[in-house]
Amino acid sequence: AQKITQTQPGMFVQEKEAVTLDCTYDTSDQSYGLFWYKQPSSGEMIFLIYQGSYDEQNATEGRYSLNFQKARKSANLVISASQLGDSAMYFCAMRERSDSWGKLQFGAGTQVVVTP
Amino acid sequence: ETGVTQTPRHLVMGMTNKKSLKCEQHLGHNAMYWYKQSAKKPLELMFVYSLEERVENNSVPSRFSPECPNSSHLFLHLHTLQPEDSALYLCASSQEGYTEAFFGQGTRLTVV
Repeated sequence: AQKITQTQPGMFVQEKEAVTLDCTYDTSDQSYGLFWYKQPSSGEMIFLIYQGSYDEQNATEGRYSLNFQKARKSANLVISASQLGDSAMYFCAMRERSDSWGKLQFGAGTQVVVTP
Repeated sequence: ETGVTQTPRHLVMGMTNKKSLKCEQHLGHNAMYWYKQSAKKPLELMFVYSLEERVENNSVPSRFSPECPNSSHLFLHLHTLQPEDSALYLCASSQEGYTEAFFGQGTRLTVV
């Protein structure tokens, strides 16, 4: 069963505006980590931000913030002040404590296009 | 020097060829992974190596053969592939635990 769900296949956003990318997850673990990655057309997966399941504060990294709602099992990514260079695929991922080898499980991704 | 380097970046091979993908990490991590990314599908984990030992194989066909000679290098040997194996192959490394995984730029493979 799919453990990470990203319901928005694609989004357009205007430059300088904020955009929210949705992510819901499914796990029975109490301890887990949530990650967001950006994949430009070049192919590389670039780590953006991390949220631990026990973190009480929402994670922030520059223009990226993670809206973590544990009871709803959602971990939405907010990109503020969008730039043309933000156009890319964005993936939500999870690592569960019960997984000894720490593998990441990914959602299907959301394609973001930033327009001038 | 980038953290995780994959070569080649692009590869076109015939169904009877044998080729290898290479991944090298300079981050001192103890786990390495191969992922496959096909069009319109989520990333699929293929193999996990921890401390140079293969610890997971997600029902990958035997025409894909991984090798991890040391903690810094990971190979994916390919032979008698099918056109449906055309995809972006991504290598990643991490330190076991909750830390993020770092990815290489991927090898875009086309099987003709």
